[in-house]
Amino acid sequence: AQSVTQLGSHVSVSEGALVLLRCNYSSSVPPYLFWYVQYPNQGLQLLLKYTSAATLVKGINGFEAEFKKSETSFHLTKPSAHMSDAAEYFCAVSFPYSGGGADGLTFGKGTHLIIQP
Amino acid sequence: GAGVSQSPSNKVTEKGKDVELRCDPISGHTALYWYRQSLGQGLEFLIYFQGNSAPDKSGLPSDRFSAERTGGSVSTLTIQRTQQEDSAVYLCASSFRTRNTGELFFGEGSRLTVL
Repeated sequence: AQSVTQLGSHVSVSEGALVLLRCNYSSSVPPYLFWYVQYPNQGLQLLLKYTSAATLVKGINGFEAEFKKSETSFHLTKPSAHMSDAAEYFCAVSFPYSGGGADGLTFGKGTHLIIQP
Repeated sequence: GAGVSQSPSNKVTEKGKDVELRCDPISGHTALYWYRQSLGQGLEFLIYFQGNSAPDKSGLPSDRFSAERTGGSVSTLTIQRTQQEDSAVYLCASSFRTRNTGELFFGEGSRLTVL
């Protein structure tokens, strides 16, 4: 069964500093990988996704993530943090050939990103 | 509508009462999901509907929880005899499941507080 691990329930960075949110997955077949963001009192929205094309994926708001098969990782980065980036970030994994059912999409527990002025 | 709509946005109830939460998915989306988000627990899958197929209820935590989807569109999540541990944000999402890209579109959630 697939699983997703997000290292660090809380990450704090200074405004203008590099943002790095870690995500590792476990699966026996090549996955699809996603990062979702949840701003306060809102639902989740898709930041970016990897679906077996380019391993470096660019998303909205200057975020990007790199799929590294050898490390089973899909870490999220942004070169320079902005106050508006403060939110909860969820990594998720899915499979292109799953027969159905919502267990085709598994979420990590989330990382709360705090931006220090 | 343009996005997934959930109501009520906030619900406060007393222990033992029943509650109903509503989700109106994006028009044309065949798949609908309910998740529960508790503080520090991430997203817990509850139930999944896909077209006219039997729903995947494997995530429902107890028989006090049930959901239905009428006409392949609007869904209602019902919690009977609510308990304090049911307090959470209940998120609904929809998608074009047949594309199987895993991209879900979420509503803003219904925050349930059980006193």
